Amino acid sequence: QKEVEQDPGPLSVPEGAIVSLNCTYSNSAFQYFMWYRQYSRKGPELLMYTYSSGNKEDGRFTAQVDKSSKYISLFIRDSQPSDSATYLCAIGDYKLSFGAGTTVTVRA
Amino acid sequence: DTGVSQNPRHKITKRGQNVTFRCDPISEHNRLYWYRQTLGQGPEFLTYFQNEAQLEKSRLLSDRFSAERPKGSFSTLEIQRTEQGDSAMYLCASSLTGTGVAEQYFGPGTRLTVT
Repeated sequence: QKEVEQDPGPLSVPEGAIVSLNCTYSNSAFQYFMWYRQYSRKGPELLMYTYSSGNKEDGRFTAQVDKSSKYISLFIRDSQPSDSATYLCAIGDYKLSFGAGTTVTVRA
Repeated sequence: DTGVSQNPRHKITKRGQNVTFRCDPISEHNRLYWYRQTLGQGPEFLTYFQNEAQLEKSRLLSDRFSAERPKGSFSTLEIQRTEQGDSAMYLCASSLTGTGVAEQYFGPGTRLTVT
């Protein structure tokens, strides 16, 4: 069993829709939970990180962590075509364990 | 540009050759990480440094791989006797210790193709 499981999609939504992404993880010791965005053939770009449980909001992005269920989510409101990318969840303190990434396409 | 930089961006080599990649982290960051990413997968941790000390190596890092960070600034990753299975994107990231430890910022990667 992989440490972090993420549905690879692909996910296709119309412009303006809410995008919902999620990951599950197995190691309950993890304290930091990150979301990265990666465009094709580029390095991952840090979007948000959350420490322990709870919600965090940054503009159109909201990250949620439920440690009791070992489940993390990222929501993108009012999605734009420029949000089309692969979204990676990552978990860990210094040595990050990544999900496989979910490919998202926002249709204009 | 004050982000993480990596060179070269692309490398094509023949099986059995040695290759070396360079990473320049964000200047004030004392931690530097190497990851490997294959198509359709997330990055996998290889090793990391705090200043010049290499503190952890993954089991993925066979004895053909060696990484250095001689003065606590840039780092190099060398692969000896390359194999086709080494073809991947090699990513470097950096962070600060303390509250910034989780905020790892990645470079653009070096894409290695072994023919």
